Amino acid sequence: EADIYQTPRYLVIGTGKKITLECSQTMGHDKMYWYQQDPGMELHLIHYSYGVNSTEKGDLSSESTVSRIRTEHFPLTLESARPSHTSQYLCASNQRGGDEQYFGPGTRLTVT
Amino acid sequence: QQPVQSPQAVILREGEDAVINCSSSKALYSVHWYRQKHGEAPVFLMILLKGGEQKGHEKISASFNEKKQQSSLYLTASQLSYSGTYFCGTTGGGGSNYKLTFGKGTLLTVNP
Repeated sequence: EADIYQTPRYLVIGTGKKITLECSQTMGHDKMYWYQQDPGMELHLIHYSYGVNSTEKGDLSSESTVSRIRTEHFPLTLESARPSHTSQYLCASNQRGGDEQYFGPGTRLTVT
Repeated sequence: QQPVQSPQAVILREGEDAVINCSSSKALYSVHWYRQKHGEAPVFLMILLKGGEQKGHEKISASFNEKKQQSSLYLTASQLSYSGTYFCGTTGGGGSNYKLTFGKGTLLTVNP
């Protein structure tokens, strides 16, 4: 069973607030990913990391930022939340490219 | 480039078979298949790495035609538990073989 955790699971927050979505994995994986997924839609890669101190933007432009200071931790931050940020955010990890990606349970974000 | 999945949706009776297709306009390094149930994270089904290689698990199998840049997922004798949205994810070669680009998904509904 995959050991990848996301908190909070659900978040309702007002416009303009700063939020951080947490993602942690205990598998020692080098590569971690953030996806954004609207209900019933496909997953869009918004950020990824090849290892500590390495972060890249994904295929979908996002106003969020990420950091990777420790192997196991890959938080995502929104400096000023807007209603357009309402979505589900999924974190994933794997050890090598081409390997299975393990997904966390996701954070469902609603910005009012 | 986003892979194209077909069909968009399919409805089956328990015990029937289904095929879901995934095609790309770019050369592929790997094809990943995931199933996602409503409100849950995607769950890994299988990876195909080589052209023509077919891998399977119980009644779910897949093929990968590298020349045609296509993959197909075969669900045999479907069960109620097969219901969900199936996503293919593809990686390109070289330095991009870490990033998965997902198709729009195929909604599979299995009825009793």
